[in-house]
Amino acid sequence: DTEVTQTPKHLVMGMTNKKSLKCEQHMGHRAMYWYKQKAKKPPELMFVYSYEKLSINESVPSRFSPECPNSSLLNLHLHALQPEDSALYLCASSQDLLGGRPTTDTQYFGPGTRLTVL
Amino acid sequence: AQKITQTQPGMFVQEKEAVTLDCTYDTSDPSYGLFWYKQPSSGEMIFLIYQGSYDQQNATEGRYSLNFQKARKSANLVISASQLGDSAMYFCAMSLLIIQGAQKLVFGQGTRLTINP
Repeated sequence: DTEVTQTPKHLVMGMTNKKSLKCEQHMGHRAMYWYKQKAKKPPELMFVYSYEKLSINESVPSRFSPECPNSSLLNLHLHALQPEDSALYLCASSQDLLGGRPTTDTQYFGPGTRLTVL
Repeated sequence: AQKITQTQPGMFVQEKEAVTLDCTYDTSDPSYGLFWYKQPSSGEMIFLIYQGSYDQQNATEGRYSLNFQKARKSANLVISASQLGDSAMYFCAMSLLIIQGAQKLVFGQGTRLTINP
């Protein structure tokens, strides 16, 4: 089973709202990722969590706040977003970066959350 | 700098024909992984196939095969006997180790494949 789930599927929010995106996997993966994808563009990495610790922050604005409560869950808290933040937000997970050659680690993606900021 | 190039923005193929999607990459790291993902209009990124830089054989997964030419730095995806359900955006990606315990996928711009009946 290579399933990563994301909720909600769609989200519309105003610029003053606070909302959260959720991602869950039950594959025992120890690395989890957030990507942002604008229309007709490839995904862009935002954050990487490895063993529940933040490993990479790709200079993402502070209005995006990631959280990894446990090895199966990844949240992305949103606050004071801008209309240009409207995009597809994809979560991914991969198995084990520390045990073997990291570049062989396949990332499995969830279905994404389509976010619209008004 | 590490880079993935997909030179075909769009391709149109007749059903049941084979199709080759081009991907070239640039890296100075000796250890890297190459991936192909399919993204239908629904948005989910579906993993198709993987090739490691040290792998001697070309990877195959069902109707998908990866034509890996290391000297030319190319990793083309071949889909045999195309089906209508193969219509989607296809991304080539390369994995890079950033720090121990964290890797990054660098994506190409994608190729939109349309299968005609």
